[in-house]
Amino acid sequence: QSELTQPPSVSGAPGQRVTISCTGSSSNIGAGYDVHWYQQLPGTAPKLLISANSNRPSGVPDRFSGSKSGASASLAITGLQAEDEADYYCQSYDRSLSGSVVFGGGTKLTVL
Amino acid sequence: QVQLVQSGAEVKKPGASVKVSCKASGYTFINFGISWMRQAPGQGLEWMGWINTYKGNSNFAEKLQGRVTMTRDTSTSTVYMELRSLRSDDTAVYYCARDTSGWGPMWYWGQGTLVTVSS
Repeated sequence: QSELTQPPSVSGAPGQRVTISCTGSSSNIGAGYDVHWYQQLPGTAPKLLISANSNRPSGVPDRFSGSKSGASASLAITGLQAEDEADYYCQSYDRSLSGSVVFGGGTKLTVL
Repeated sequence: QVQLVQSGAEVKKPGASVKVSCKASGYTFINFGISWMRQAPGQGLEWMGWINTYKGNSNFAEKLQGRVTMTRDTSTSTVYMELRSLRSDDTAVYYCARDTSGWGPMWYWGQGTLVTVSS
């Protein structure tokens, strides 16, 4: 059981918009710690997609955006493309576990 | 360009130890820490711990305390992760990633090392 809760799966048709939620608690996201998002394509290492809640690293399309409010965060993907089909993970820091990085359980995005 | 290159796949018996290496290049090694994660087959990412490559100190996930060690060799810009008393549920792909302060984000990742624990 992860400290951060994500839906196991989401889906959308090409061109549509989808969002992936990441719900934490008062010891991690709610305590003000940043949320980061990673994309993992099948058989590859994760790739940083969004840093510090809403910042896109160089090379990440602006179709991807992140936000944070209270103890939750969201990743939005607009203009869905077939190549967006992947697993997505949120990550933060938790002060209750002797100081520990925590990941969400991951969300599988299927492009219909 | 920043690269993290990990050692090759390992097969170990239960109770044995494994040591995975992560060689960094393309940046000043001691300016950035390294986190280790693992991913069991079909499962999500699990953070294992972080090493300060400048000072050499580290902190670990509570569930792995006592079984994991992280060290570094500044002369070769390499970080090592050793996991002892291996069990079948340690079977996973192990990743290193550059993590400045141990909080994330992980900007750069190694390619992953598959460790299989089987009798």
